[in-house]
Amino acid sequence: EPEVTQTPSHQVTQMGQEVILRCVPISNHLYFYWYRQILGQKVEFLVSFYNNEISEKSEIFDDQFSVERPDGSNFTLKIRSTKLEDSAMYFCASIQNNYGYTFGSGTRLTVV
Amino acid sequence: KQEVTQIPAALSVPEGENLVLNCSFTDSAIYNLQWFRQDPGKGLTSLLLIQSSQREQTSGRLNASLDKSSGRSTLYIAASQPGDSATYLCAVRPFPGANNLFFGTGTRLTVIP
Repeated sequence: EPEVTQTPSHQVTQMGQEVILRCVPISNHLYFYWYRQILGQKVEFLVSFYNNEISEKSEIFDDQFSVERPDGSNFTLKIRSTKLEDSAMYFCASIQNNYGYTFGSGTRLTVV
Repeated sequence: KQEVTQIPAALSVPEGENLVLNCSFTDSAIYNLQWFRQDPGKGLTSLLLIQSSQREQTSGRLNASLDKSSGRSTLYIAASQPGDSATYLCAVRPFPGANNLFFGTGTRLTVIP
């Protein structure tokens, strides 16, 4: 069964550093997403991406965040200057039209 | 704004028992509802997707039901096994093309051998 692949599985970074989280969505999917889950809290929406542009973003997705699809396969989330409160599990997801979402295995980001 | 609640937050059952997990949502105007499984520190694995026009979906020992009018969904697990131990999340998609899934807080299930 096709999978959404995320790398790295765990990233530790110092506060103020830039991080890039990488995702390879399912190849024939058209819509791509980033969600995050702070430990003990709900999974929450960050941003959606369609046709090479952001289609919607949440209040969490401020100027410190950006997304990019640099080539035909990768989808990245960049955090420019990480804060302690950015520590969370970050999930990439993709969907084809109105079928169910497929999520990746996540990247655990720890900001120290 | 849609609020999704899952009760109980945690559940322990002996192996072999049948069990029901509950998911409630405040706005009944949903497009579909998806159940996921999350193992500790891992990703979200899709279990079942129910469209708003459907009443239930089945996959193996899992059966999910949907009652839109009352804002409820249940996930029934038959003959539970220790390997079923995980956190189960439900998520609601409010309308076709909606970008935002609304997740519940999950039920952590432990199946005792």
